[in-house]
Amino acid sequence: NAGVTQTPKFRVLKTGQSMTLLCAQDMNHEYMYWYRQDPGMGLRLIHYSVGEGTTAKGEVPDGYNVSRLKKQNFLLGLESAAPSQTSVYFCASSYSRVSNQPQHFGDGTRLSIL
Amino acid sequence: GENVEQHPSTLSVQEGDSAVIKCTYSDSASNYFPWYKQELGKRPQLIIDIRSNVGEKKDQRIAVTLNKTAKHFSLHITETQPEDSAVYFCAAYSGGGADGLTFGKGTHLIIQP
Repeated sequence: NAGVTQTPKFRVLKTGQSMTLLCAQDMNHEYMYWYRQDPGMGLRLIHYSVGEGTTAKGEVPDGYNVSRLKKQNFLLGLESAAPSQTSVYFCASSYSRVSNQPQHFGDGTRLSIL
Repeated sequence: GENVEQHPSTLSVQEGDSAVIKCTYSDSASNYFPWYKQELGKRPQLIIDIRSNVGEKKDQRIAVTLNKTAKHFSLHITETQPEDSAVYFCAAYSGGGADGLTFGKGTHLIIQP
């Protein structure tokens, strides 16, 4: 039982490049989330999904897109990376809405945009 | 949307002493308040949580209190140990908008030997 797995763990991009971060969970969770963590800022919600085929915007969605084609996977895409997107990205999942079930976090992806 | 303020940003205590971290929230509809511990380079891990129908919850050396009227909640760690050194985040869930947590900016807890 791996829990929440994020790939890759580290990545360096040049400004304007695109990439996709993958989050996979094996706990049959309905809800999945993408957060970013910047120094001194805590974690901020980017996008989330309440089930397969659904996505919704969080607090800081600009510059990101997401897809949830399969229940176990939640992808975060950067179409044209900018230095302001340098951050640590955390994926989380929960069985139901977070007030009823705790969120389980992945190990994070460290992304640097040069 | 919800806004969560957390204080202090850094807290240094002697081993064996108690530590208290405080958070305030803005949305009176918020009903769930978890606390996460994050060690350097690691994922956030849930250590304790409280729901709005409860005023206090305790788990061994850790306790959380909630004052709904004043819209603030606190984390209390007693008999601190070196392994308690980490960054602690409070969070709130209102459910009125995005279905996710709103986090405070974190408290770096340092346990002095």
